[in-house]
Amino acid sequence: AQSVSQHNHHVILSEAASLELGCNYSYGGTVNLFWYVQYPGQHLQLLLKYFSGDPLVKGIKGFEAEFIKSKFSFNLRKPSVQWSDTAEYFCAVNTNAGKSTFGDGTTLTVKP
Amino acid sequence: DVKVTQSSRYLVKRTGEKVFLECVQDMDHENMFWYRQDPGLGLRLIYFSYDVKMKEKGDIPEGYSVSREKKERFSLILESASTNQTSMYLCASSSGPKLFFGSGTQLSVL
Repeated sequence: AQSVSQHNHHVILSEAASLELGCNYSYGGTVNLFWYVQYPGQHLQLLLKYFSGDPLVKGIKGFEAEFIKSKFSFNLRKPSVQWSDTAEYFCAVNTNAGKSTFGDGTTLTVKP
Repeated sequence: DVKVTQSSRYLVKRTGEKVFLECVQDMDHENMFWYRQDPGLGLRLIYFSYDVKMKEKGDIPEGYSVSREKKERFSLILESASTNQTSMYLCASSSGPKLFFGSGTQLSVL
């Protein structure tokens, strides 16, 4: 069975700092990879996804993630965070249509 | 836009009660899911369904059952609610790898 590990449970940054959230998964076959975000009081929504092709994918609001197959990693990055990026971020792996496994989540707090 | 609607945003029930959580999606998706979200544990899959009248156990099905009589509706049932089922319940639907989530139901079992 696949599993997902997120390295940090809580990250606190000042505005304009750079962000990198780690995500590693365990599964030997082909995967689809996702980052979902949940802003305070809102529902989960897709931030970005990787299915195939260029391993560096860009999502909404200036986020990007890089798929490194050899490291089973899909880390999320943003060069300069804003206060509005305060949210909980979930990495997810999907190995067949629909059934996804999620990491434990990382709560990002950005101080103004 | 896909809309996944969960019937209640907040629900308070007593131990031993039978609880129904309803979810409806409007995009004709084949796949529907129930997750629970707990602090520090992320999202854990309870049950899912790939088709009408079809259901499969997820990672934590104990204490739950589901019903999918119509394609657009997927119900989660707690036969006898217990305090350890206090949680945020999230419904999702999909026609492929990407999930679309509802707003969630915060269930408190007293």
